[in-house]
Amino acid sequence: GNSVTQMEGPVTLSEEAFLTINCTYTATGYPSLFWYVQYPGEGLQLLLKATKADDKGSNKGFEATYRKETTSFHLEKGSVQVSDSAVYFCALSGGSYIPTFGRGTSLIVHP
Amino acid sequence: GAGVSQSPRYKVAKRGQDVALRCDPISGHVSLFWYQQALGQGPEFLTYFQNEAQLDKSGLPSDRFFAERPEGSVSTLKIQRTQQEDSAVYLCASSLVRNDGTDTQYFGPGTRLTVL
Repeated sequence: GNSVTQMEGPVTLSEEAFLTINCTYTATGYPSLFWYVQYPGEGLQLLLKATKADDKGSNKGFEATYRKETTSFHLEKGSVQVSDSAVYFCALSGGSYIPTFGRGTSLIVHP
Repeated sequence: GAGVSQSPRYKVAKRGQDVALRCDPISGHVSLFWYQQALGQGPEFLTYFQNEAQLDKSGLPSDRFFAERPEGSVSTLKIQRTQQEDSAVYLCASSLVRNDGTDTQYFGPGTRLTVL
């Protein structure tokens, strides 16, 4: 079956540091890949997505590239801000419409 | 416009009580999903509606869980005879079209259920 593995958190960074959150997946066929963000007290929001291999999703300075050869979709940002502190979920949707989420990675950014 | 709303935001129930959780999707959205999110985990799929039709309920953990969307808009997730293991955040999400796996889902803030 489908599965998503994310790096464990929390990830703690200083403001303006470079961010990478690793995500790898297992799926049959050609899934679509997503990153969602959950701010404290709020629901999940779609951050970015990629629907085919080599696509790059980007939004709010975050980027992730769909790498079929390594089955990865790592999230990156060049310079994080305190306001980026949240929980980030990697997810895939492949074959059926039922999405599979990773466990989430908490990001804490200090001033 | 308004996003997905859920009510109540918090619910405390005594073990054995029945609870009903409401989801108001974005107007016009065809697809509606329910998820269960345990502490420190990602959302786990429960059930999926396309308009009023419940097309998939394979994620419902037991027959104590029941969901409906009678008019194709508002949905209710009902849990009968609640147990402590039902304690979780219940998330609702909607999407505009019939879901083929690429469509963006819009999530509500969730209902945090605590069963004592």
